[in-house]
Amino acid sequence: AQSVSQHNHHVILSEAASLELGCNYSYGGTVNLFWYVQYPGQHLQLLLKYFSGDPLVKGIKGFEAEFIKSKFSFNLRKPSVQWSDTAEYFCAVNALYNTDKLIFGTGTRLQVFP
Amino acid sequence: GAVVSQHPSWVICKSGTSVKIECRSLDFQATTMFWYRQFPKQSLMLMATSNEGSKATYEQGVEKDKFLINHASLTLSTLTVTSAHPEDSSFYICSARQRLAPSTDTQYFGPGTRLTVL
Repeated sequence: AQSVSQHNHHVILSEAASLELGCNYSYGGTVNLFWYVQYPGQHLQLLLKYFSGDPLVKGIKGFEAEFIKSKFSFNLRKPSVQWSDTAEYFCAVNALYNTDKLIFGTGTRLQVFP
Repeated sequence: GAVVSQHPSWVICKSGTSVKIECRSLDFQATTMFWYRQFPKQSLMLMATSNEGSKATYEQGVEKDKFLINHASLTLSTLTVTSAHPEDSSFYICSARQRLAPSTDTQYFGPGTRLTVL
């Protein structure tokens, strides 16, 4: 069965620190990859997505993610976080053979302190 | 673009009553919508896939007679929790799938509905 792992459950950073959140998936076929963010009290919002092409994807609010097929990874990065980045981050994957099934990771809670 | 709304945002009901939650895609048509539950500090659990004009597909372990889904139009899906009990209290989230091109399906999520059953 497909699964998505987010190894960092809770990350605490100071403003201006760099961020990298890990995401690994288990599926050998072609996948679409997503990062969603859920700010406190708000709904899930799409940060970025990868379908094909350049494995380095840029999203909103200065976030980017790199798809490394050989490592089955899609890590999220931001060079300099802000207090407003405090949120829950979810990695999600679907296989091209079944795009109805979006498999979510367990989420990473990011807290940024001023 | 790609906005999904849910109504109501929260509801409190007595045990044994039924509650209907609406999910609408506001600026695009969605032949497929999805219903999830999110438990506190946990990830989303897919409950069912709602297809316009046909029966919903339920995930294993989800009671289809308890969670009735109707996808009446390309912009509206409803989830009815029938004979609700306290254990049904949860955060219910819908999403709508946007397909701009083959193999580029993206789900956009509604704000969720907090259901509390007393």
